[in-house]
Amino acid sequence: EAGVAQSPRYKIIEKRQSVAFWCNPISGHATLYWYQQILGQGPKLLIQFQNNGVVDDSQLPKDRFSAERLKGVDSTLKIQPAKLEDSAVYLCASSLGLADYEQYFGPGTRLTVT
Amino acid sequence: GENVEQHPSTLSVQEGDSAVIKCTYSDSASNYFPWYKQELGKRPQLIIDIRSNVGEKKDQRIAVTLNKTAKHFSLHITETQPEDSAVYFCAASMDKVIFGPGTSLSVIP
Repeated sequence: EAGVAQSPRYKIIEKRQSVAFWCNPISGHATLYWYQQILGQGPKLLIQFQNNGVVDDSQLPKDRFSAERLKGVDSTLKIQPAKLEDSAVYLCASSLGLADYEQYFGPGTRLTVT
Repeated sequence: GENVEQHPSTLSVQEGDSAVIKCTYSDSASNYFPWYKQELGKRPQLIIDIRSNVGEKKDQRIAVTLNKTAKHFSLHITETQPEDSAVYFCAASMDKVIFGPGTSLSVIP
C-alpha cells in the first residue's frame, strides 16, 4: 500500500513569513496527526483529526498555527507568521483509528526559519 | 495531562549485548504503549507495542514489559546488532499519543 505522503520535503523561510505543509494519509485511515519534532526531541503532537473533526489541538499554538483536513482525507498545516523557534521537522502520521492503532509516519517536512 | 519520561537518554552497548530502555508515564488511564525506532534522517517506525491488559510481549529479539501498578514499561533488545543503532521513542496513549524524549542507542561492532 502507498504510504503517507508529505510535501514539501524541505522549506527555508524568513521569520514573519508564512508557510504551508500538505499531507495525504494512507487510504482508509480515519485518524490523522501532525507532530512537531525539534532536533534531539521526541515528536510533539500538534493536532489530531478523526475524519474531518478535531480530536485534540491542545498543543497547537493557535495564534500562529492552523490546520484543516479537507473532506476527511488530505490535510494542511499552516504557520503564519513563522518564528525562529518553529524550525523543526513537521511529521504527519495516520492510523486506522484513535490512539491505540499503529501510526504510520510520512517522511516529514524540514522547516528552517532564518 | 500525560507526561512520559524515558531513560537513559543515550546508551552504548557492544554488539551482542542486551539493551534496556525504561519509560514511566503519569496518567494511569493510558492503555496503549508503543515503541518507535527512528534512524537518522528517517521517519519513526513502530517496532513493538503493548496494551494495558498484557504484562509482556515478545517479537524475536525485542520484548516489552509493562508494570501498570508502577506506571512504567521497558524495551529489551537482546543480541544487539549494529543496525539496531537508532533513536528509540516510547509513548503512552489513552485518547492521544504522548511520546517520550527518546534514547539514542549506539551498538559498537
